[in-house]
Amino acid sequence: QKEVEQDPGPLSVPEGAIVSLNCTYSNSAFQYFMWYRQYSRKGPELLMYTYSSGNKEDGRFTAQVDKSSKYISLFIRDSQPSDSATYLCAVLPRQAGTALIFGKGTTLSVSS
Amino acid sequence: DGGITQSPKYLFRKEGQNVTLSCEQNLNHDAMYWYRQDPGQGLRLIYYSQIVNDFQKGDIAEGYSVSREKKESFPLTVTSAQKNPTAFYLCASSQDSNQPQHFGDGTRLSIL
Repeated sequence: QKEVEQDPGPLSVPEGAIVSLNCTYSNSAFQYFMWYRQYSRKGPELLMYTYSSGNKEDGRFTAQVDKSSKYISLFIRDSQPSDSATYLCAVLPRQAGTALIFGKGTTLSVSS
Repeated sequence: DGGITQSPKYLFRKEGQNVTLSCEQNLNHDAMYWYRQDPGQGLRLIYYSQIVNDFQKGDIAEGYSVSREKKESFPLTVTSAQKNPTAFYLCASSQDSNQPQHFGDGTRLSIL
């Protein structure tokens, strides 16, 4: 079983829709959780960063972590064509000196 | 502006040739990373360095080498031993290994 599983999509929605992106992870030692957005031919850009269960909101974006279920989500409200990108979840173990573990990314397309 | 600069943006390698990808950061970050991204594979860790003059192999280090002589620089050499080097290479840095990573805009390497 891979450490981080993410549905690759593609996911297509109309403008204004609520988007839900999800990842599951296998190791309860993971402590930090992140979401990155990657546009074509660009590097990933950090969107959200959290280390606790619950919700964290930033504008139209909400990150949700459920450590009991080992499930992380990113919700995008009022989606825009500019949100069309690949979204990567990432987890970081509690152990110091280790590196991020990424999901494979979900490709999102928002049509106007 | 603070950030991570990768150069060149595009690079072509001939058979049997070593090539070096540049990564420079002015964020004063201690940790730096190299990833390889292939379609459908997500980001795979090649090497990472938590401090100057020290680095560790990631999941796919074979055929690659790195150095970390200065805090702001972490060049990656793709050697002739890497038989399938065509990919998008991403460099990242973080304040330390427990902080989110910030990425450059990548170098696309192709075989001539």
